[in-house]
Amino acid sequence: RKEVEQDPGPFNVPEGATVAFNCTYSNSASQSFFWYRQDCRKEPKLLMSVYSSGNEDGRFTAQLNRASQYISLLIRDSKLSDSATYLCVANRSGRRALTFGSGTRLQVQP
Amino acid sequence: GAGVSQSPSNKVTEKGKDVELRCDPISGHTALYWYRQSLGQGLEFLIYFQGNSAPDKSGLPSDRFSAERTGGSVSTLTIQRTQQEDSAVYLCASSLEDREQFFGPGTRLTVL
Repeated sequence: RKEVEQDPGPFNVPEGATVAFNCTYSNSASQSFFWYRQDCRKEPKLLMSVYSSGNEDGRFTAQLNRASQYISLLIRDSKLSDSATYLCVANRSGRRALTFGSGTRLQVQP
Repeated sequence: GAGVSQSPSNKVTEKGKDVELRCDPISGHTALYWYRQSLGQGLEFLIYFQGNSAPDKSGLPSDRFSAERTGGSVSTLTIQRTQQEDSAVYLCASSLEDREQFFGPGTRLTVL
């Protein structure tokens, strides 16, 4: 079983739709969590960190449930430019190595 | 400012040959990381440098893989006697201490 699991998708949604991605992690030592975005054949880039209290950055909202070991990302009012692969990432306490999920592909259609 | 750079961008080699991949981190970043991304797999951590030392090499898949960092800056990842399963995109990242990791564009390695 992978340490960070995501539904690979693809999620095909129309412009303006709201879409949610979920992710689960198996290592309870994981302390920090992130969502990265990766465009086709490009490097991953940090989208946002995920805090226990939940956090929002414009159209993006991230939530963390430590009891269920579950992370989510909500994108409101989807834009064509949101089309990408979204990577769920965990970081264990005391380690610098990031553990990536395999990613969820989003395709926003006109 | 300049981001993380990697060279070459693409490398095709024959099975059994050695390859060297280079990473230039963001100036001033003390930490440097190597990951690889294979088709159908997520990004896998390989090794982490703090300065010139590597406190975490736990992701290196075999003793054919090694890496070094000199002058607290440039790093090279060496793969000896390449195998077809080594084909992947090798990504380097750097960070200021334990802050956000910034990734380079990667080196796409194909082993024939």
